[in-house]
Amino acid sequence: EEQLLESGGTLVQTGGSLRLSCAASGFIFGHFAMSWVRQAPGKGLEWVSLITLSGGTTYYTDSVKGRFTISRDNSKSILYLQMNGLGVEDSAVYYCAKVLSNRFDSWGRGALVAVSS
Amino acid sequence: EVVLTQSPGTLSLSPGETATLSCRASQIVSSSFLAWYQQKPGQPPRLLIYGTSSRATGIPDRFSGSGSGTDFTLTISRLEPEDFAVYYCQHYISAVFIFGPGTKVEIK
Repeated sequence: EEQLLESGGTLVQTGGSLRLSCAASGFIFGHFAMSWVRQAPGKGLEWVSLITLSGGTTYYTDSVKGRFTISRDNSKSILYLQMNGLGVEDSAVYYCAKVLSNRFDSWGRGALVAVSS
Repeated sequence: EVVLTQSPGTLSLSPGETATLSCRASQIVSSSFLAWYQQKPGQPPRLLIYGTSSRATGIPDRFSGSGSGTDFTLTISRLEPEDFAVYYCQHYISAVFIFGPGTKVEIK
């Protein structure tokens, strides 16, 4: 069974930094692109970032470019999201998701990031 | 940039009825890259439909998708109690994923 388990979510002050992790199991991690998707409280889904199989190429939504960095360790089957310069608008549940072609076919349960001013 | 609009915002139906959810794109998009997700409170989204009309693994056949161009539809036949949830459409283009705002299907 495929499993994705996020960790690292916490309360942080504006301007602070945080690193989220996502531990994958049940599939060959290095064979799939991975993404982070977030959901602000009571709001819809917003794609945040994508990393290719090898980690060689990354993509970001405009609002996090230059502040967030996605990375992966295929030897450990772990996905990361380094978040710097956090603002209240970044408060959300952050989901780790496995990318199959052009869709997300497996999701973690999410990590809550709360940014306080 | 493609924008996805979903309607209605909320759909109030009774178990056993049919739900018809709409997803409209601001420009013509590839039907190969249109997916639907279901999300229940406190849970992550679950992939239902990909490529406009293909059901994901384990999804019952009362869920069906259709459409092309700018207009796409998710149909849920014979609503079961567990189908009341929020549904999102999603499109992919050039390594960017876009979600619609969602349609909530609630019990009437």
